[in-house]
Amino acid sequence: DAMVIQNPRYQVTQFGKPVTLSCSQTLNHNVMYWYQQKSSQAPKLLFHYYDKDFNNEADTPDNFQSRRPNTSFCFLDIRSPGLGDAAMYLCATSKTHEQYFGPGTRLTVT
Amino acid sequence: SQQGEEDPQALSIQEGENATMNCSYKTSINNLQWYRQNSGRGLVHLILIRSNEREKHSGRLRVTLDTSKKSSSLLITASRAADTASYFCATDGTGNNRKLIWGLGTSLAVNP
Repeated sequence: DAMVIQNPRYQVTQFGKPVTLSCSQTLNHNVMYWYQQKSSQAPKLLFHYYDKDFNNEADTPDNFQSRRPNTSFCFLDIRSPGLGDAAMYLCATSKTHEQYFGPGTRLTVT
Repeated sequence: SQQGEEDPQALSIQEGENATMNCSYKTSINNLQWYRQNSGRGLVHLILIRSNEREKHSGRLRVTLDTSKKSSSLLITASRAADTASYFCATDGTGNNRKLIWGLGTSLAVNP
């Protein structure tokens, strides 16, 4: 089945220790998104790729970076995680209007 | 950024009852979508309604859109315990940047 896969599902990192979250898709969608979602809140868009074009949200901290080496894969790098970065990170893809989400990675910062 | 507001924030009903959630937005839209999120999981697309449509059905779901009031409602009929989830509306603007603007969500609890 075509899908969006996120690894790992749960990630524990130490304060200040870089961490990378990964997302892959078999849908061949040209747009990929990274969202941060904290408890009981709406997803917050961090950035998205429209094909190879990278679009950063104005309020996304510099601590967050992303890479999209090819159509299928996208990575979220958090260079120096703080306690406030503990959240669910959601990857999504789209081709037209609907977005297709992965199951998310729950990040804990100790 | 969020432009949508949803009400109620939380809703608790008995199995078999209908659940109605409302969403309001602020700017012109191309379409409005509803998503469901089960606890600790990703979001699942439920239904999309275009700005020139007034009502749409999908199974037990009925969505209405009133662009003059900038509001939408999602009705779930004959609710089941498995409908327990958070429901979000999302709009995309008249630009073509493929970004969605999300509402704050309604947490629905369906009690057996």
